[in-house]
Amino acid sequence: DSGVTQTPKHLITATGQRVTLRCSPRSGDLSVYWYQQSLDQGLQFLIQYYNGEERAKGNILERFSAQQFPDLHSELNLSSLELGDSALYFCASSVDPAAKNIQYFGAGTRLSVL
Amino acid sequence: AQTVTQSQPEMSVQEAETVTLSCTYDTSESDYYLFWYKQPPSRQMILVIRQEAYKQQNATENRFSVNFQKAAKSFSLKISDSQLGDAAMYFCAYRSPYNNNDMRFGAGTRLTVKP
Repeated sequence: DSGVTQTPKHLITATGQRVTLRCSPRSGDLSVYWYQQSLDQGLQFLIQYYNGEERAKGNILERFSAQQFPDLHSELNLSSLELGDSALYFCASSVDPAAKNIQYFGAGTRLSVL
Repeated sequence: AQTVTQSQPEMSVQEAETVTLSCTYDTSESDYYLFWYKQPPSRQMILVIRQEAYKQQNATENRFSVNFQKAAKSFSLKISDSQLGDAAMYFCAYRSPYNNNDMRFGAGTRLTVKP
């Protein structure tokens, strides 16, 4: 168990809908990262937060947004969903954003858009 | 931008034998960090081993070791005495301390362990 909690484990929804994925980082970790793992594109970095502030953006679509709350949990919001958004979404956390720090991953949320 | 290449989509090994998974990367940076993550059928991403580019000594974690060749930009993972529980997808990752600490993953190698 990595200590990173993601809910829900599975999510099935329809095109055009909006969903929210939730992540609780390991105790003491201030940085949260979101990744998307799809069959044809591997693991792609979406966005990073540190102590409530957005720190870095990767290949995140404009339809997607995220935030980190004062209690350090994070939510990834996906809107106007398309079939191609079906993927495994991972949250990871580390003590701070420094590259040397290990990122610990949650078990992921599998999103199926029908 | 840094890219990470895993040229072996699939590998198999006999239980108790040794297997090496390949990873190469492209970078112009002199300082960086390299990681191997394991993703078993449970989907959980589990850190296997980490290497700091400024350290010449190859990292080792029990049955897992790396062959880090900085000049060749190569970072292979050796699994000794393979066990059935080693069966998983293995991802190589590169993390830069300069580019917002961005972490880039390879496409993965699926390892099968035969009893």
